[in-house]
Amino acid sequence: EAGVTQFPSHSVIEKGQTVTLRCDPISGHDNLYWYRRVMGKEIKFLLHFVKESKQDESGMPNNRFLAERTGGTYSTLKVQPAELEDSGVYFCASSLDKEQFFGPGTRLTVL
Amino acid sequence: QKEVEQNSGPLSVPEGAIASLNCTYSDRGSQSFFWYRQYSGKSPELIMFIYSNGDKEDGRFTAQLNKASQYVSLLIRDSQPSDSATYLCAVIFYNNNDMRFGAGTRLTVKP
Repeated sequence: EAGVTQFPSHSVIEKGQTVTLRCDPISGHDNLYWYRRVMGKEIKFLLHFVKESKQDESGMPNNRFLAERTGGTYSTLKVQPAELEDSGVYFCASSLDKEQFFGPGTRLTVL
Repeated sequence: QKEVEQNSGPLSVPEGAIASLNCTYSDRGSQSFFWYRQYSGKSPELIMFIYSNGDKEDGRFTAQLNKASQYVSLLIRDSQPSDSATYLCAVIFYNNNDMRFGAGTRLTVKP
């Protein structure tokens, strides 16, 4: 069975540009999560989807971040416009219940 | 006070020894507790979860939970060099699926 996949694996953009990250959860997992780890800090929760609905988006840092999960399958996380402090690794995870399985992450570098 | 606290380490043990990793959490209402292992540059990998007070064993790994003391630990018996990684403690607060991570403890097992 395929695990959680994320695309791209790396992205390097300039400040002010837009980047869209994609996550494909494990098939059948209704729960999808986004997390971020910035350099030297712990992994931080961003938001949680149940199917296509946002269950909790309390971790989203500001309105430059927009997450969608149309159709309840894959999800995208758009950062617009990107700032230097957005650099880090963005992880997606999915779960049937409480045990979450992580994707490989997207390393975002904003120059 | 951080929601989930771990000693950042590094923790170094000789091959064959028991490695003991500790984690405390702030919210008494926490329901679910997880240990993830993360190799450098890789995604977190779930190795143990525990929901009830007491011990839970899985191979060389034992998770211990004490809700009264708000403390969860991971013991690794017969440590191997391949166990060298960062171990992340994660807690689900309340009764949702939104997980909070500690900063991680770096473990080195020396041959």
